[in-house]
Amino acid sequence: DQQVKQNSPSLSVQEGRISILNCDYTNSMFDYFLWYKKYPAEGPTFLISISSIKDKNEDGRFTVFLNKSAKHLSLHIVPSQPGDSAVYFCAARGTSGSRLTFGEGTQLTVNP
Amino acid sequence: DVKVTQSSRYLVKRTGEKVFLECVQDMDHENMFWYRQDPGLGLRLIYFSYDVKMKEKGDIPEGYSVSREKKERFSLILESASTNQTSMYLCASSLTQVGQPQHFGDGTRLSIL
Repeated sequence: DQQVKQNSPSLSVQEGRISILNCDYTNSMFDYFLWYKKYPAEGPTFLISISSIKDKNEDGRFTVFLNKSAKHLSLHIVPSQPGDSAVYFCAARGTSGSRLTFGEGTQLTVNP
Repeated sequence: DVKVTQSSRYLVKRTGEKVFLECVQDMDHENMFWYRQDPGLGLRLIYFSYDVKMKEKGDIPEGYSVSREKKERFSLILESASTNQTSMYLCASSLTQVGQPQHFGDGTRLSIL
């Protein structure tokens, strides 16, 4: 049972435009959500997070939106840059402990 | 800056061998985790540990065991390697407080022949 799903395996955008990556979850007990970025041959690096008591968190070019009623979160990157090309994973944390449940990942390609 | 170090970047082993993957973190984190990453499946949790000498099963523990004798070190053991354990293995660590992210090592690409 996949509790965190990223339905788009890949996304391609032009440099300077907005990238929107989406993530859906099924477990209403998740209280914290995170996005990670992963380059080939490197481990995932933490990008941005949001608590379930908020609906938006912004950090520079990156904004995460949370819609609890729809059990949906999205990551917006504006403006997109070629260096943003990577696999993006969303992850969710339950209310007990520090373990995370990850989605399948979305490969973002930003074309110059 | 948090540093999570995995002992090998690439490893090739034979079916039936006992395989040890080592992970060390330098930030005194309580929690440590082992994942495997496979195409289309994302990161799946194998085992994790909240403290020295304790361990908990993740979502796919079959065929694996772990050891945490010291706070900074978390080992993943493949008791008898099989070809379906060929994968990218990622170690992570974190503090316990809410909002603290997990920090990952660069991974070990393990091939079982």
